[in-house]
Amino acid sequence: GDSVTQMEGPVTLSEEAFLTINCTYTATGYPSLFWYVQYPGEGLQLLLKATKADDKGSNKGFEATYRKETTSFHLEKGSVQVSDSAVYFCALSEGNQAGTALIFGKGTTLSVSS
Amino acid sequence: EPEVTQTPSHQVTQMGQEVILRCVPISNHLYFYWYRQILGQKVEFLVSFYNNEISEKSEIFDDQFSVERPDGSNFTLKIRSTKLEDSAMYFCASMGSYEQYFGPGTRLTVT
Repeated sequence: GDSVTQMEGPVTLSEEAFLTINCTYTATGYPSLFWYVQYPGEGLQLLLKATKADDKGSNKGFEATYRKETTSFHLEKGSVQVSDSAVYFCALSEGNQAGTALIFGKGTTLSVSS
Repeated sequence: EPEVTQTPSHQVTQMGQEVILRCVPISNHLYFYWYRQILGQKVEFLVSFYNNEISEKSEIFDDQFSVERPDGSNFTLKIRSTKLEDSAMYFCASMGSYEQYFGPGTRLTVT
């Protein structure tokens, strides 16, 4: 079945460092891909998404490009801030029908120090 | 900004007891979901609900689980007879057109 694998954490960085969190997926069709973020004590929030190959999702300085050839959707940010400390989840949704379930990776904890 | 709310934030129950987890989705949303995350593991889909019926469910969602939208605003998840392995964070989500909005979760601890 479909699955998402993301790099194990925690990831610990200093402020202004470059961030990469790797995510690869397995899917039978053409999924949509997502990154969700969870700040302490809050629910999961959609950070960015991409719905087809070569699409780039971006938000709040974060970017991820849908790479069909490598089945990857790595999250990057050029200069992290302390406020980016959170858990990041890569996810996919198979098909375009509303109501389709999200399949998540295990989450990667990012800790940024000043 | 509208948000999904969940109550309680933490529920402790004894094995074999029934629990009901409550969610208030965003008011104009039509699709509703429950997910769970066992500590240290992936967020897993349980069930989706649309037009007053289940539209999709996972293998986890067996006869011990049920969902209901009793009054047009709440969306509940019931576990009839809890097991130790039901201990997890349970997330509710709702969706209008495309994006799923998640609540903060209910931590269920079964002792």
